[in-house]
Amino acid sequence: GDSVTQMEGPVTLSEEAFLTINCTYTATGYPSLFWYVQYPGEGLQLLLKATKADDKGSNKGFEATYRKETTSFHLEKGSVQVSDSAVYFCALSDSGGSNYKLTFGKGTLLTVNP
Amino acid sequence: EAQVTQNPRYLITVTGKKLTVTCSQNMNHEYMSWYRQDPGLGLRQIYYSMNVEVTDKGDVPEGYKVSRKEKRNFPLILESPSPNQTSLYFCASRRGQGAAGANVLTFGAGSRLTVL
Repeated sequence: GDSVTQMEGPVTLSEEAFLTINCTYTATGYPSLFWYVQYPGEGLQLLLKATKADDKGSNKGFEATYRKETTSFHLEKGSVQVSDSAVYFCALSDSGGSNYKLTFGKGTLLTVNP
Repeated sequence: EAQVTQNPRYLITVTGKKLTVTCSQNMNHEYMSWYRQDPGLGLRQIYYSMNVEVTDKGDVPEGYKVSRKEKRNFPLILESPSPNQTSLYFCASRRGQGAAGANVLTFGAGSRLTVL
């Protein structure tokens, strides 16, 4: 079945540091890939997405490129801020079927210190 | 404001006492779903509904029931809660139409349930 593996946390960075959170996936077909973010006490929000190979999703300074050859969708940001502290989830949605299910990774807690 | 509303946000209950977590969306979405979030496991789908009166099991449906009598509401029912159902629960919705690439779910704020 489908699965998503993302780097274990927690990740602690200083403000303005470079961020990478690794994500790899296993899926049949041609999945769409997503990064969701969960701020403390809140639900999940879509951060960015990519629907086909070589697509780059970007939002709020975050970027991720859909790499079919390495089945990866790593999240990057050049300069993190304290307000980026949150849990980040990589997820995929298979192209087939009628259940719009998202398969999530386990989440990575990011803490950014001033 | 477009949103998914869950209630209660926090609940402590005892084993065997039936409870319902409500979920309501104001976006006229056909599709709704419930997930549970557990440390080290991420989010796992419990049940989903493609439209009114159409529901189906997700990956971890045991111990849960759902109903979809109206488009906007999708309650999660725990008939006889047990401690292993202590978790953070999220309801989500999306439009029924569109390709998987448009599969952007709108999530509620979550309901933290503790079963003693």
